[in-house]
Amino acid sequence: NAGVTQTPKFQVLKTGQSMTLQCAQDMNHEYMSWYRQDPGMGLRLIHYSVGAGITDQGEVPNGYNVSRSTTEDFPLRLLSAAPSQTSVYFCASSYQGSLAGEQYFGPGTRLTVT
Amino acid sequence: GENVEQHPSTLSVQEGDSAVIKCTYSDSASNYFPWYKQELGKRPQLIIDIRSNVGEKKDQRIAVTLNKTAKHFSLHITETQPEDSAVYFCAASLYNNNDMRFGAGTRLTVKP
Repeated sequence: NAGVTQTPKFQVLKTGQSMTLQCAQDMNHEYMSWYRQDPGMGLRLIHYSVGAGITDQGEVPNGYNVSRSTTEDFPLRLLSAAPSQTSVYFCASSYQGSLAGEQYFGPGTRLTVT
Repeated sequence: GENVEQHPSTLSVQEGDSAVIKCTYSDSASNYFPWYKQELGKRPQLIIDIRSNVGEKKDQRIAVTLNKTAKHFSLHITETQPEDSAVYFCAASLYNNNDMRFGAGTRLTVKP
């Protein structure tokens, strides 16, 4: 199993550009989520999904879109990048329901917006 | 939504000493409380978790306690080792991992 994979590892964008961060998991997990990590602020939830076709907003959703067309993939779209979106982005997945427990995190994407 | 506060932000101990990290949460309906460890440049990994029907859970040198009345939970690491040096995050959620909120993290340094 590859676990949770994220691409790209690093990305530099100019203000106003758009891009999609990719996330995939091969563990058949129903739950997937996106976090951003900034120094001194921990992990903040952007969006999450409890299954294909279902998404919901987390703590800091503004400026980001998600979709969940398959169980495996959960891409995060930045619509118009801003310097405030410079961060490390982590995708995570886990089981739902009675099997829910550990969230497995991807390796992260370091995004810089200039 | 849920709000999780974590203290201290940094903690330095001598090898072999104990370390305690404390978190408080705001929503009394929260029922799942995991702790994650993140080494420098790596992804967070679960080290222990507890659900609201349990007051304490142990796994070798690591233990977590939960006080639902006071809405706080703590991570205890005994006989600390240099490899315990990392950032530790607490978290809370209402149901499983849904809409999970994390504390700001504690940077633990264990001096040999």
